[in-house]
Amino acid sequence: DGGITQSPKYLFRKEGQNVTLSCEQNLNHDAMYWYRQDPGQGLRLIYYSQIVNDFQKGDIAEGYSVSREKKESFPLTVTSAQKNPTAFYLCASSRDRGSEQYFGPGTRLTVT
Amino acid sequence: GENVEQHPSTLSVQEGDSAVIKCTYSDSASNYFPWYKQELGKGPQLIIDIRSNVGEKKDQRIAVTLNKTAKHFSLHITETQPEDSAVYFCAARDSWGKLQFGAGTQVVVTP
Repeated sequence: DGGITQSPKYLFRKEGQNVTLSCEQNLNHDAMYWYRQDPGQGLRLIYYSQIVNDFQKGDIAEGYSVSREKKESFPLTVTSAQKNPTAFYLCASSRDRGSEQYFGPGTRLTVT
Repeated sequence: GENVEQHPSTLSVQEGDSAVIKCTYSDSASNYFPWYKQELGKGPQLIIDIRSNVGEKKDQRIAVTLNKTAKHFSLHITETQPEDSAVYFCAARDSWGKLQFGAGTQVVVTP
C-alpha cells in the first residue's frame, strides 16, 4: 500500500522542548516538503528537499530544522526557538519538483 | 514572490446546485495550478490540476478553468453532494517551483 505516513497523529509537548515529527513515503519520490497550517490560513512551506542530502528553506523556516539522509524519510524538528509551534504539520512528496504533490495525513502539535 | 488570493472564504450551497471558487495569482511565470480538498483533521487531497498550456479541464463533476491573461483560475463543482463539504485550496507553482496556496474556501452543502 503506497503512500505517505506521518506519526504521531497528535503530539503534545511542553514549551522549551524540541520535538521531531516523522514523515515517511514509499512512493519512490525524490522531492519532499513540510508545510504548516494554522486555522483559517493556507499552507505555508517550511522546508523542502529535492534530493537526498539536500534541502532548502521555505517561507517560514525559522525555528525548524530538517534532515534528508534517506530518500523515503524527511523528519522535521520543531525547536524551542519556534515562537508559535502549535499548528497542524503536513508532509508532502512529489516525483520531482515539477510533478504533483501528495500529502500525508498530518500531525497536530500542541505546545503548552 | 507569488501571491495567491482565494474567494470566497465560505460558500454554502444547496445540494444539487453548483459551486464556484475563484483564485488570482500574481506571478505571470506560474505554470501549474492544482486544487486540493481537505476534510476535517486530514491531509489535503489533490482533486484536479491544470497547466498553463490548457484553458479548461474536466473530471466528472469538477472542472477548472484558467485565464492566463487575467491571471485567475476557478474551480467549478456541479451537482453538489453532501460529501463535497470540505475546505478547498487553490495553489500556484511559482517561478522557483514552489507551491503558494490560497487561504481556503469552506464549502458546506446542505441537503
